[in-house]
Amino acid sequence: GAGVSQSPRYKVAKRGQDVALRCDPISGHVSLFWYQQALGQGPEFLTYFQNEAQLDKSGLPSDRFFAERPEGSVSTLKIQRTQQEDSAVYLCASTRIQGPTEAFFGQGTRLTVV
Amino acid sequence: DAKTTQPPSMDCAEGRAANLPCNHSTISGNEYVYWYRQIHSQGPQYIIHGLKNNETNEMASLIITEDRKSSTLILPHATLRDTAVYYCIVRVAGETSGSRLTFGEGTQLTVNP
Repeated sequence: GAGVSQSPRYKVAKRGQDVALRCDPISGHVSLFWYQQALGQGPEFLTYFQNEAQLDKSGLPSDRFFAERPEGSVSTLKIQRTQQEDSAVYLCASTRIQGPTEAFFGQGTRLTVV
Repeated sequence: DAKTTQPPSMDCAEGRAANLPCNHSTISGNEYVYWYRQIHSQGPQYIIHGLKNNETNEMASLIITEDRKSSTLILPHATLRDTAVYYCIVRVAGETSGSRLTFGEGTQLTVNP
């Protein structure tokens, strides 16, 4: 595709509900990242995939957060039993290769937990 | 990754050059300097990056001091559409780190008519 696509753009969840956020990276991009951005803050790293392998999940805030990229393209970030502190914008980014190259970001999914 | 320091906000007149400073005094020899910006309600957008030489592209110029402890992003003719938060990031491109970006608070640049 022309860019990184994320869906849905907005999601309202009741506390305790499970949610799934989707990321379609640019075709052929090897690396995929998820970031969480709280209001008024810079994005914070959650997890990283190289193809289908999840090489770094050190930024996931709890075991309620789970990410997958089973075929090395589309990725899903799942949050179980959502809590109010999970309210944030979730950003996905992809890069063509490893190394000093630019990352392309999607527009993000704004999650509001009520 | 090295920590960066940026002013929280700056103003610039439309049509004038915007010079955004960044301090990264603890940068290592194998760390690059990256600049991204984030316009309201959008994802971050790559602007430019460099290791030790000055760089220029269609969006901006990046000036890195000789000791590499600071840099300046220059938008030569700022427009209203350049109003955004600008992030200066230094990072190592490594295997397991996956070249992740560590964002700080950034500089809110406001371009005024």
